[in-house]
Amino acid sequence: GQQLNQSPQSMFIQEGEDVSMNCTSSSIFNTWLWYKQDPGEGPVLLIALYKAGELTSNGRLTAQFGITRKDSFLNISASIPSDVGIYFCAGQLASNYQLIWGAGTKLIIKP
Amino acid sequence: GAGVSQSPSNKVTEKGKDVELRCDPISGHTALYWYRQRLGQGLEFLIYFQGNSAPDKSGLPSDRFSAERTGESVSTLTIQRTQQEDSAVYLCASRQTGGSYSPLHFGNGTRLTVT
Repeated sequence: GQQLNQSPQSMFIQEGEDVSMNCTSSSIFNTWLWYKQDPGEGPVLLIALYKAGELTSNGRLTAQFGITRKDSFLNISASIPSDVGIYFCAGQLASNYQLIWGAGTKLIIKP
Repeated sequence: GAGVSQSPSNKVTEKGKDVELRCDPISGHTALYWYRQRLGQGLEFLIYFQGNSAPDKSGLPSDRFSAERTGESVSTLTIQRTQQEDSAVYLCASRQTGGSYSPLHFGNGTRLTVT
């Protein structure tokens, strides 16, 4: 079946550093989504991307929908302690309603 | 309410017992999903409801799992004869359909522990 490869699996960074994570697939998607999950809560949408090549920002977060429609990245600039959590990418196939999820990137910030 | 509501937030049950988990989607959201998330893992699709259409049950791991939804309202996920491997967080999500794609909105999940 379809898979999303999300990397890195985890990141240990210093406060103030920039963060980059990405997802790749062998399948073509028509929507890419980035979610963040805090402990004990459900994932919360950060950024939604609907068009190949689209670059969208949400505060310190920036995400891009790859030109090939098979990949996406998420950047976080000047990380702060509340950025800690697990970040998930998800893609929707052009053919149906299903979302394919990455395995998540766990972000840990060293004080 | 403003968001997706799930209950109970935590459930501890003995192996072999049945459990029922509840999801109240956002009002007006026609699509509803159930996911399972094991500790430290990603989201595993279980079942999808869209309006009055037949649900997509392709993700249910065994016949011990079932779910119902009446119209566009509350959904319940039932696990019969629970096993220890059923221990996980069960997440419900809903979204609008029609028009441009509308992202999923998640509840905070039910943490199920089978002892």
